[in-house]
Order: sequence, then C-alpha cells, then structure tokens
Amino acid sequence: KAGVTQTPRYLIKTRGQQVTLSCSPISGHRSVSWYQQTPGQGLQFLFEYFSETQRNKGNFPGRFSGRQFSNSRSEMNVSTLELGDSALYLCASSLPSQETQYFGPGTRLLVL
Amino acid sequence: DAKTTQPPSMDCAEGRAANLPCNHSTISGNEYVYWYRQIHSQGPQYIIHGLKNNETNEMASLIITEDRKSSTLILPHATLRDTAVYYCIVSSMEYGNKLVFGAGTILRVKS
Repeated sequence: KAGVTQTPRYLIKTRGQQVTLSCSPISGHRSVSWYQQTPGQGLQFLFEYFSETQRNKGNFPGRFSGRQFSNSRSEMNVSTLELGDSALYLCASSLPSQETQYFGPGTRLLVL
Repeated sequence: DAKTTQPPSMDCAEGRAANLPCNHSTISGNEYVYWYRQIHSQGPQYIIHGLKNNETNEMASLIITEDRKSSTLILPHATLRDTAVYYCIVSSMEYGNKLVFGAGTILRVKS
C-alpha cells in the first residue's frame, strides 16, 4: 500500500506570496492532519480534516487554511507569507476510528 | 492533553537494547501512549502504542507501568539506523486526531 505523499517536496517563496501544499493520504484513510515543524517551536498541530470538514484546529493565524476533497486528498494554503513560515510542513493520515497517524515526507518551505 | 516528560538525549551501543523512558503522570483513563520517531528531515514514523498492557511489534516493545504514569520504549537490538528523535505522546480520540509533540529524546546509537 502506498504511503502518504506530499507535493511539492521543496518550495521557495518570497514574503507576501501565498502557497498551496498538497497531501494524498493512504488509500482508505479519511482523516488528514497537518503539522508545522520549525527548529524553534518543534512539531505543532495545524488542523485536521475528516469527510471534507475541519474537525480540529491548532493555534495558528487565519492565514493558514486547508480543505479536503471528496477523495480525501487535502490541501493547505498559507497566504501573505512571512519569513517565520519557513518550515517543514507535514501531513498525516489515519483511519476514521484510529488515532495512529502515518506521516508523509513533508514539504520544506523556504520564505525569502 | 496530558503532558509527557522525556530525557533530552540518550546514547546506546549498537547491538544493545535501547530503553527510552517517558513520564506521563497526568494521563487520563482513555488516553493511549504513542511512540513515534523522526529520523533527520523525514516525517515522523509510528512505532507502537498502548493503553494498559505491554505491547510488542516487529519494531519495539512498550512497557507501561501499572499506574500508567510512565512507560518505556524498548528497541531490543539497536542499530545505527535507529538514531533519531523519539517522541512519547499521550492522546485520545476525545480531542480528535491531534498529536501534541514535545521535544522528544534524541537517541544516538554508536558503534
């Protein structure tokens, strides 16, 4: 079974731009969660989507948003990028009734 | 979410067992103990989880104390490829699918 895939793997943007990251979960997994990892703050939960609805949200500003499609694929968007948004963005998927999450390789975003 | 406490770093000789401790004294009855690891610049990898009983899989064993206030992850024969940051997390579906990561333990396996 294929794992969680994330695209793109690397991205360079400039301040003020916006970015969209994509995540394809493991087949059959309907829950998708997003995390941000920075050297200073570590791994932090952004939000979780299940059946195209945001089910849980972390403590991030409204510039961070996401959505989930009917095939469970998910995207996250960051608008008006700031230097501090430079991070590894990780997506994880799980079965609806299980908490065990399986992570993708991440998208490394650099904001200049 | 219950909080966990882990040592910041540990060393282990290759081929020996690595025992990684975790304290979770405020764990509630419906919270599981999860272990993940992250090898440099990769996504975290699920290792094992448990509620009350000890658990074993092909990667590791998880020993949970009777009062559930602490646990130990055991890698029976550590290899250089086990060098990683190991995260102990307590979580329940009550909060949705949300993992709260701490700083973890950096395990260095040395030859």
